[in-house]
Amino acid sequence: DGGITQSPKYLFRKEGQNVTLSCEQNLNHDAMYWYRQDPGQGLRLIYYSQIVNDFQKGDIAEGYSVSREKKESFPLTVTSAQKNPTAFYLCASREFYRGGPPNSPLHFGNGTRLTVT
Amino acid sequence: AQTVTQSQPEMSVQEAETVTLSCTYDTSESNYYLFWYKQPPSRQMILVIRQEAYKQQNATENRFSVNFQKAAKSFSLKISDSQLGDTAMYFCAFMSTQGGSEKLVFGKGTKLTVNP
Repeated sequence: DGGITQSPKYLFRKEGQNVTLSCEQNLNHDAMYWYRQDPGQGLRLIYYSQIVNDFQKGDIAEGYSVSREKKESFPLTVTSAQKNPTAFYLCASREFYRGGPPNSPLHFGNGTRLTVT
Repeated sequence: AQTVTQSQPEMSVQEAETVTLSCTYDTSESNYYLFWYKQPPSRQMILVIRQEAYKQQNATENRFSVNFQKAAKSFSLKISDSQLGDTAMYFCAFMSTQGGSEKLVFGKGTKLTVNP
């Protein structure tokens, strides 16, 4: 079955350490996204990528980094520069047709809960 | 920048009754897409319904329907015959296409509880 896999489901790190969250999709989608979810804040966009080897900052990119070396993978690194990294992180993907109607919905993974102490 | 506002942080409804969740948005774009997503306690995000701005007809999906008022920039979700499984966070979202980049902007959500 096609889908998006985020791993691990729960992640614990000490303050000052970088940590990488995995996101893999087999839906053959060109576009991938990382969102952060905090209580009462909804989903906020961290980074997104519409094509391999290219990505753009979202609304809250500071303290995060990404890479898009393969179509299927879009890992997110939470660096020590991120002041409040404890949160629920959601990865998503969707079809992207340059010049076409932007009507394709996001497909989400099950999320990773990161706790930094 | 596009913004999405959900003015009801929490709502509750009795099983089998109807409830409407509000959403307003702000944009200067003329053609766009709007979505409602549901997030149950499992935290899995599930697409409920989507609406294309150039279509005047309101979208419907079984018990879920929208009231899309383009001039008022309003996009409310109506849930008919509410079921216990409808208990979830509901997020309204706007597909922004500025500068050729397509990204979904979310509201802060409405927590819906369906009571037996």
